[in-house]
Amino acid sequence: DQQVKQNSPSLSVQEGRISILNCDYTNSMFDYFLWYKKYPAEGPTFLISISSIKDKNEDGRFTVFLNKSAKHLSLHIVPSQPGDSAVYFCAARFQGAQKLVFGQGTRLTINP
Amino acid sequence: DVKVTQSSRYLVKRTGEKVFLECVQDMDHENMFWYRQDPGLGLRLIYFSYDVKMKEKGDIPEGYSVSREKKERFSLILESASTNQTSMYLCASNTGSGNTIYFGEGSWLTVV
Repeated sequence: DQQVKQNSPSLSVQEGRISILNCDYTNSMFDYFLWYKKYPAEGPTFLISISSIKDKNEDGRFTVFLNKSAKHLSLHIVPSQPGDSAVYFCAARFQGAQKLVFGQGTRLTINP
Repeated sequence: DVKVTQSSRYLVKRTGEKVFLECVQDMDHENMFWYRQDPGLGLRLIYFSYDVKMKEKGDIPEGYSVSREKKERFSLILESASTNQTSMYLCASNTGSGNTIYFGEGSWLTVV
């Protein structure tokens, strides 16, 4: 049972525009959410996170929004750059736990 | 910077062989994890360890075992490799109170 879902396997965006990546979760016991970015043949790198007590967190071009009632979070990248082309994974952590549950990933392609 | 090092980047093994994947972290982290990444399935947790000689099964432990004799080192063992274990394996670590986990660069295993 996939507790964290990224329903879009891929997304293509023009350079300079906004990229919006979506993630849904099913378990209300998740208390912390993260986004990781992964280039081919490399390990995932941490991008941005948000606690369940917040609804928005911003870091430069990256903003994560959390809608707890809808069990939905999204990552906004503005403006999108060619170096943003990668696979993005959404992850969630259970309260009191250390392990993360990951979504399937969304491949983002930024077109010049 | 946190450094998680996976000793083997690319391996080709035969069905039935015993395979060791080694991981070392240099940040004195309590927790260490082994995930595998497969297209369309995201990252799935195989095993994790929260202390030396302590381990817990993740979501897909069948066919795998682990060893943690020293705090900085976490090994994944495939007792008898099978073709369905062909995958990218990712080691990760974090502190006992940390929210973010840090990944190594990954090990590509092909079982023929």
